[in-house]
Amino acid sequence: DAGITQSPRHKVTETGTPVTLRCHQTENHRYMYWYRQDPGHGLRLIHYSYGVKDTDKGEVSDGYSVSRSKTEDFLLTLESATSSQTSVYFCAIRGDTEAFFGQGTRLTVV
Amino acid sequence: DQQVKQNSPSLSVQEGRISILNCDYTNSMFDYFLWYKKYPAEGPTFLISISSIKDKNEDGRFTVFLNKSAKHLSLHIVPSQPGDSAVYFCAAIGGSTLGRLYFGRGTQLTVWP
Repeated sequence: DAGITQSPRHKVTETGTPVTLRCHQTENHRYMYWYRQDPGHGLRLIHYSYGVKDTDKGEVSDGYSVSRSKTEDFLLTLESATSSQTSVYFCAIRGDTEAFFGQGTRLTVV
Repeated sequence: DQQVKQNSPSLSVQEGRISILNCDYTNSMFDYFLWYKKYPAEGPTFLISISSIKDKNEDGRFTVFLNKSAKHLSLHIVPSQPGDSAVYFCAAIGGSTLGRLYFGRGTQLTVWP
């Protein structure tokens, strides 16, 4: 298995609170991604990173921010959680020809 | 603007038969195409990839075909097994935006005995 872990695996939080999800890799890959998966929408890109401190927005970036201060860690922050951000979040890492996913974080905003 | 499309949300195939999953794309600059399998409550699992300079790649029961002129690729699973029942995603690397990884919306494959 590719060396990628997500934490936490499950989280319940209240509306309006900030939440940070962590993605950690041991593969030294340049590219890292955050996706959310919702019924009927497949995998939608939130943000991605192409190097330390280099990030860009995906298609559903509103309400989310990211940081990458080290190659191995990519953090996703929900600045003020809303019920529409209840979802399963997946982190991915990519080499030249392959990409691998973490096991996901199930986030529930109540 | 969806650059990778999977137009069939579901596919049902009998065990032992061939499963063919299809994917279309719009960007001729893509360098690699990938297929993933996803079970409920798990992360997507990488299956097989193909370079844009090739037209076929095979790995065991899985074969991916690429038709660049039609901007179409397909994943063939032969023979299909009940354990293959999952959502299959097509993805593409490359294009004009550095580093983006584009996904289709997935196809639910059901293999029945």
